[in-house]
Amino acid sequence: LAKTTQPISMDSYEGQEVNITCSHNNIATNDYITWYQQFPSQGPRFIIQGYKTKVTNEVASLFIPADRKSSTLSLPRVSLSDTAVYYCLVGGLTGANNLFFGTGTRLTVIP
Amino acid sequence: NAGVTQTPKFRILKIGQSMTLQCAQDMNHNYMYWYRQDPGMGLKLIYYSVGAGITDKGEVPNGYNVSRSTTEDFPLRLELAAPSQTSVYFCASSYAEGAYNEQFFGPGTRLTVL
Repeated sequence: LAKTTQPISMDSYEGQEVNITCSHNNIATNDYITWYQQFPSQGPRFIIQGYKTKVTNEVASLFIPADRKSSTLSLPRVSLSDTAVYYCLVGGLTGANNLFFGTGTRLTVIP
Repeated sequence: NAGVTQTPKFRILKIGQSMTLQCAQDMNHNYMYWYRQDPGMGLKLIYYSVGAGITDKGEVPNGYNVSRSTTEDFPLRLELAAPSQTSVYFCASSYAEGAYNEQFFGPGTRLTVL
């Protein structure tokens, strides 16, 4: 299982773009990179997933360099409601018991 | 669809008491999971199930038991509650295994053992 490393916390002002980087040096060929968002007092929810290059949806963008040893979650123009913990997970299509939710990155958006 | 539901939302137990945390999903998912989350920490897997009648231990199973008699329900049993079990418990489900497959989480049960 590829372990991940993320910053523990980040602060940002409203309206700014926020980039959260995750390191996963031991990523395997079949692994995907998945990000979850957890608001206070709620369970995590899936926000984006990618394998290589760039993925964009209505919530975020995910940038993955060619070597795939890291990835960057980009949140455009954050608002107060984006204050949450963001988890980076790496894994593939097998293993029901090997999802590693580390401590994540606690993003605080400041007015 | 209600997704994943959990009851109760909050509970206070005395040391040595027992209780069952309920979890149900209406998405016909085979895979279900129980996690605990201590303050400021990530999620740790307690037990998981790959289908009705099949359960297995996760990272932190001691002090807990589970059963899976139907696809929809996956209750978590705490026997002889201890202060170390004070935590927030999340149930989740997914269509298939692996980090590739999205896990859907319930709202959580906040448990305090005094």
